[in-house]
Amino acid sequence: GAVVSQHPSWVICKSGTSVKIECRSLDFQATTMFWYRQFPKQSLMLMATSNEGSKATYEQGVEKDKFLINHASLTLSTLTVTSAHPEDSSFYICSALGQALNSPLHFGNGTRLTVT
Amino acid sequence: QKEVEQDPGPLSVPEGAIVSLNCTYSNSAFQYFMWYRQYSRKGPELLMYTYSSGNKEDGRFTAQVDKSSKYISLFIRDSQPSDSATYLCAMTRNTGGFKTIFGAGTRLFVKA
Repeated sequence: GAVVSQHPSWVICKSGTSVKIECRSLDFQATTMFWYRQFPKQSLMLMATSNEGSKATYEQGVEKDKFLINHASLTLSTLTVTSAHPEDSSFYICSALGQALNSPLHFGNGTRLTVT
Repeated sequence: QKEVEQDPGPLSVPEGAIVSLNCTYSNSAFQYFMWYRQYSRKGPELLMYTYSSGNKEDGRFTAQVDKSSKYISLFIRDSQPSDSATYLCAMTRNTGGFKTIFGAGTRLFVKA
């Protein structure tokens, strides 16, 4: 089946620093990737939609200057949390949509970010 | 009203039981329906993907879609402790742009 790799699986950083999370589709080309945030015992909250070669579309309330998204190729999207603060601590998950018509979403295994 | 409603549970069943998980939705534009399983601190894993009304079976899992009632179900037969996880329903529409909406997720505990 389709595989999406997300790296790192967990990261601890100091307040004020930036963290980059990578999302790769390993065995298919992803025209679109999505970034989510998930709080404990809650469902996925879509942050932004990333299309290869174009600017990401952010959901209402998500700061685009804080959460920088780059989708430079059909297999890689990155999310950079800039000037991280403790309130940014969360579980971040990416998903990828294949080029085939009616493809389902496939998810990475998530990145647990802790900002101290 | 939310576009997708899913009872968050928790749902606790004994090993071997048949589990029924359900979601209702309000927008008839949804075309594709998915069930994901999410273990703690992991990303969601695609279990079932259906398009048309009716049943789709894969091993111990059966997905059921009733578009007329806007109701989808996931049945797990012979449930195992390893099935303990959160189950998310999801549905996709392409009108007004591609969008996938997720249910809140139902936490399932299967007791040995």
